[in-house]
Amino acid sequence: EIVMTQSPATLSVSPGERATLSCRASQSVGSNLAWYQQKPGQAPRLLIYGASTRAIGIPARFSGSGSGTEFTLTISSLQSEDFAVYYCQQYNNWPPLYTFGQGTKLEIK
Amino acid sequence: QVQLQQWGAGLLKPSETLSLTCAVYGGSFSGYYWSWIRQTPGQGLEWIGEINHSGSTNYNPSLKSRITISVDTSKSQFSLKLNSVTGADTAVYYCARATPPVDWGQGTLVTVSS
Repeated sequence: EIVMTQSPATLSVSPGERATLSCRASQSVGSNLAWYQQKPGQAPRLLIYGASTRAIGIPARFSGSGSGTEFTLTISSLQSEDFAVYYCQQYNNWPPLYTFGQGTKLEIK
Repeated sequence: QVQLQQWGAGLLKPSETLSLTCAVYGGSFSGYYWSWIRQTPGQGLEWIGEINHSGSTNYNPSLKSRITISVDTSKSQFSLKLNSVTGADTAVYYCARATPPVDWGQGTLVTVSS
C-alpha cells in the first residue's frame, strides 16, 4: 500500500497570504495525485487532479505541482472561504488501492 | 451536472450487514467507475472500492472479504454491502463518481453499536 504523508498537520496563515501544503508518497505515483478541500459537514471537493490540473470551477489561486513522490498545493492569496481541511490522494496503483493523506487543516492566523 | 444521492440504514448492531445505495442523476452512467469511500475521525478517508457500468469491480484488499459492490444500470444506481460490521466500521460513507472522484454524494453516517 502506498502511504501518503501530508505536512504540516495544521497551517496557520493570514487572509491574503500564500499557503503551501505538502504531500509525500511512500513510492512514486507519477502524476496520479489529486487534492481535495473539505469543510465541516460537507463531502470533499476535488481541486486538482493529475498533480497540476485544476478541476472545473476551481479558482486560479489554487495550483498544484510535483511528480513522483513530492507534491505541493499552493493557494496564492487566501480568501476566507479557503480555510478548511485539505487532503491529497494517489490513484496510481494497479490493481487499484487508492490512498489518502491524513489531511492538513488550514486555519486563520 | 451530475448529482449523487445516497441512502441506507444509519444504525447497525455488530455482525449486521451495512447496505447503502447511490442514485446518479444527470450525465452518463457508463464510461466511469463509481466508488464508495468512507471517513472516520481516526482513520481519515479510506477508499472502499469501485464498479463500472458493466459490473467490473475493484476492492480495497483490507475489506475485500466483507464487501460487495453491485450496479443496476437500468436505474443508474450502485450499491454497497459490508457484512459482519463492527464498531470500526462506524464512519461517514460517501459514494462518488470517477477516479479521482469528481462528484460526491452527501454522505451517510453509519454507526455500529450494540
